[in-house]
Amino acid sequence: DARVTQTPRHKVTEMGQEVTMRCQPILGHNTVFWYRQTMMQGLELLAYFRNRAPLDDSGMPKDRFSAEMPDATLATLKIQPSEPRDSAVYFCASGLISLNTEAFFGQGTRLTVV
Amino acid sequence: AQTVTQSQPEMSVQEAETVTLSCTYDTSESDYYLFWYKQPPSRQMILVIRQEAYKQQNATENRFSVNFQKAAKSFSLKISDSQLGDAAMYFCAYRKGTYKYIFGTGTRLKVLA
Repeated sequence: DARVTQTPRHKVTEMGQEVTMRCQPILGHNTVFWYRQTMMQGLELLAYFRNRAPLDDSGMPKDRFSAEMPDATLATLKIQPSEPRDSAVYFCASGLISLNTEAFFGQGTRLTVV
Repeated sequence: AQTVTQSQPEMSVQEAETVTLSCTYDTSESDYYLFWYKQPPSRQMILVIRQEAYKQQNATENRFSVNFQKAAKSFSLKISDSQLGDAAMYFCAYRKGTYKYIFGTGTRLKVLA
């Protein structure tokens, strides 16, 4: 049963600390998205990769956030330094968008910055 | 810019009854995709149904169907024979071609036994 795997599921950290969230997309998928979900803003796109190359990261605060795909099986989202306003659920999704299919979401990482 | 609006923050339905969730969107494009995703308390985003804008026929998946009105830019979800397991947040989403998804703010559906 192919699925997008995100780690960790939950993370509590102190303000100022570095946070790294990881995502393993479904094997063979060529597109990876990072979304952030908050009560106030809903689901916001942070970054979007196609064939490991970043296509759009305009939704991501550049001064503290960074997203990478070191290889086809791993996508990372880092926050350094973290702030309380970064508390949210972060979702990774992958898809084979060239076939115009839907994106499949991971279960998300719930981040709490205290 | 494209936007997706879900005007019903919360809806309730009696078990076995039918409920319709509303979604409108704004776009100047003619070719795009629309989706309904379900998010239960587990947080997992699950695809419920998808609709290609070039298709006139409304999509159907078992108890779930849509009413796609392209001219009115409306994309509502009908859930028939509601079950307790249908209780969740439902998000309407728009996607242009191979690009990013734009989500609505969601509708929380409660199913009453």
